[in-house]
Amino acid sequence: AQSVTQLGSHVSVSEGALVLLRCNYSSSVPPYLFWYVQYPNKGLQLLLKYTSAATLVKGINGFEAEFKKSETSFHLTKPSAHMSDAAEYFCAVSPGGGNKLVFGAGTILRVKS
Amino acid sequence: GAGVSQSPSNKVTEKGKDVELRCDPISGHTALYWYRQSLGQGLEFLIYFQGNSAPDKSGLPSDRFSAERTGGSVSTLTIQRTQQEDSAVYLCASSLGNGSPETQYFGPGTRLLVL
Repeated sequence: AQSVTQLGSHVSVSEGALVLLRCNYSSSVPPYLFWYVQYPNKGLQLLLKYTSAATLVKGINGFEAEFKKSETSFHLTKPSAHMSDAAEYFCAVSPGGGNKLVFGAGTILRVKS
Repeated sequence: GAGVSQSPSNKVTEKGKDVELRCDPISGHTALYWYRQSLGQGLEFLIYFQGNSAPDKSGLPSDRFSAERTGGSVSTLTIQRTQQEDSAVYLCASSLGNGSPETQYFGPGTRLLVL
């Protein structure tokens, strides 16, 4: 079965610091991978997705993620955190290109001023 | 344009009662999904509709859960004889349904509390 593991349920960074949210997947077939963000009391919003084209994917709000097959990872990064980045982030896999998403447990990002 | 809408936004019910949750997808989206977000279980897939095809019900946790989609648009998720463990946020999403993988657009969710 395909699954996603997000290391760290809570991550805290200072404003202006690097953001690194970790995601590892397991999939027996080439996966499609997604990062979603959920702001307080809001629905999920797509940040970026990997669809087997470029391994470095750029998303909205300055976020990017790199697909590393050898490490089965799809970590999310942003060079400089902003207060508005405080939210919960979910990594998800769509195994084999199907449309059913399997989500990780989520990582709550806190940005300190 | 209008996004995915869900109603009600909050629902409090007593154990054993039936509830209906509604989802209005983005106009023109043929694919519709239901997920559940709960403490301890995270985000779980429940059911997926694509056009006129038979729905993928593989994520429904028990036969108390059912969903329908009328006219290829609005969907209703029904939970019969609710239990306290059904308390969660129920999220609906829709997508164009014309390829894979697709971007799913999520609604704000219905927060269900079973007392």
